Amino acid sequence: AQTVTQSQPEMSVQEAETVTLSCTYDTSESDYYLFWYKQPPSRQMILVIRQEAYKQQNATENRFSVNFQKAAKSFSLKISDSQLGDAAMYFCAYRSFGGHASGSRLTFGEGTQLTVNP
Amino acid sequence: GAVVSQHPSRVICKSGTSVKIECRSLDFQATTMFWYRQFPKKSLMLMATSNEGSKATYEQGVEKDKFLINHASLTLSTLTVTSAHPEDSSFYICSVSIAKNIQYFGAGTRLSVL
Repeated sequence: AQTVTQSQPEMSVQEAETVTLSCTYDTSESDYYLFWYKQPPSRQMILVIRQEAYKQQNATENRFSVNFQKAAKSFSLKISDSQLGDAAMYFCAYRSFGGHASGSRLTFGEGTQLTVNP
Repeated sequence: GAVVSQHPSRVICKSGTSVKIECRSLDFQATTMFWYRQFPKKSLMLMATSNEGSKATYEQGVEKDKFLINHASLTLSTLTVTSAHPEDSSFYICSVSIAKNIQYFGAGTRLSVL
């Protein structure tokens, strides 16, 4: 079974600064997907960014980018120019590549609570 | 716009009553939906996988008779918490698997059992 570990329960960053959230995972599969989801105080889960394991290029979405190290099984999220609206709980998640319905389940890490200080 | 609609957003009920939570896929047909439970400041715990036209697949430790799941159409899955007790109070979230690699989530339902 796959596991996802987020070793930072809490992080803080000054507005306009950059912060990196860590995520490691354990799997024996060679093909899979990785995600970062954001859960603000409203508790609505919002997809931030995704990465296909077969792609070497790191995914980027505006101010959000990842550092995907497949050999090290590491998938960190970098938030540049942090904004007050970035304050939320961030979850790293893993999904197997398989097409079966049960294969589309997500395995979540424990989350990192990000505080953005003005 | 929202991809998944979940209702109600909050429900308060008396102990012993049953509560139904609906999860609708608004723009896509969804053969698979997922139900999660989340405790305060904790991660999402998968309860079951809802499959259209067939029985749901429950995770180990989740009581099938307590948490009834029905996925009668390609756009609607329901979770019924039967004979609710205070320990069932929690935040319940559904998600829809549309493309193979993306899940979209409902806004969640906060259940409080008195």
